[in-house]
This record gives sequence, structure tokens and C-alpha cells, in this order.
Amino acid sequence: KNEVEQSPQNLTAQEGEFITINCSYSVGISALHWLQQHPGGGIVSLFMLSSGKKKHGRLIATINIQEKHSSLHITASHPRDSAVYICAVRTGNQFYFGTGTSLTVIP
Amino acid sequence: DAGVIQSPRHEVTEMGQEVTLRCKPISGHNSLFWYRQTMMRGLELLIYFNNNVPIDDSGMPEDRFSAKMPNASFSTLKIQPSEPRDSAVYFCASSLELGAEAFFGQGTRLTVV
Repeated sequence: KNEVEQSPQNLTAQEGEFITINCSYSVGISALHWLQQHPGGGIVSLFMLSSGKKKHGRLIATINIQEKHSSLHITASHPRDSAVYICAVRTGNQFYFGTGTSLTVIP
Repeated sequence: DAGVIQSPRHEVTEMGQEVTLRCKPISGHNSLFWYRQTMMRGLELLIYFNNNVPIDDSGMPEDRFSAKMPNASFSTLKIQPSEPRDSAVYFCASSLELGAEAFFGQGTRLTVV
């Protein structure tokens, strides 16, 4: 069983759509990270959360510690948002990664 | 700042050879992470350092893998001897402190033939 589960695995959306990617985890965590990996391979850290909600531009990340669940939302999606989004959690000295959600936004 | 710098960007080597991957973290960052990414296993944390000291190396797959951080501005990941199953993209990342957001390098694509 994976400590971190993401859904959906693949997502295709039309430009302008509101997108939600989900992450559930089974361990107690000190922080949760959302990473973005572009088709070229580079990885960018989008958010680090331990509670509540964070917003950066069109991206919003929320976390519910009691439910062990986090969501990444993209408003007014754009083709340049096409990437793999990875959820990662830190518990103590351990890090666990989801398998990623591949997002394709069609013009 | 130029960000996290990894070298080389690509490495092709023959099975059995020693491979050394290099990483220069962002100046002032105290934590450094080495990751491996493959199609089969996704992203995995291999080892991380805080203030140049290895904190957790439980992700290092075998004794063939070793990592060092001789000073705050440089780290190496060495594979000796390399095997075809080591082929992957190896990422280095650094953060201001443990628990802070991490900044990733561009990765080193390693192919062992």
C-alpha cells in the first residue's frame, strides 16, 4: 500500500476549466508538498503546507489534517499548466511521494 | 542566484564504471536532498543532509551508492560499480532549512549500458 495516493492519475481538460487534483495520505505528517514537473523534466516546488490553504496566482492548495487529504486547484486552466503534479509528504525523517497526476490542458 | 546547479546534465556510462554526480545548492541553503526518478518507481528520496551532515540515507538503494557533502556549497552522489538498473534521472534539491520549500536542480539523466 502506498503511503500517498493521488487521483486522478491522468486528467485532460479544456482551456479555462477549473481543475482539482487530490492527494490522500496514511501517515502523520509534518508537511505536505505539491511539486510540478514539466514535460522537459524540470521540477518546481509549488506549495508547502502544514495546515489551511495557500494561494499563488491561479493555484490554490488546501489541506485537511484530520482527513489526511490535500487538494490542488487550478483556476482558469491554460495549456502551459500541462505537467505532472506530484504530492509529497514528510513525516519525521521520512519522505513519501505520490505517483503523480498527468494533466493535459487542451486549447 | 543561479539556483541549484547539477552536473553533468547527461551521463552515459558502461556497466561497472564509477559514476559521480555533482550538485551545488543555492547559497545559504542548509538542507540538500538527492532524489532518483524512474518510470517504474516515480520520484524517490535517496538521502538528505542538514548543515552538511547526512540525516537519513535509508532511501539509498545499495552499498554501491554513496553521497558526501564536504562543504555547504557542494555535494556528490557516487555509484560504484554502476548497473543498467541505475539508469534514471537524479535530482538534487536544496532548501533554506529542513521543512522549508525545496528548489530543484535540472537533474542528471544517467544511462548505464
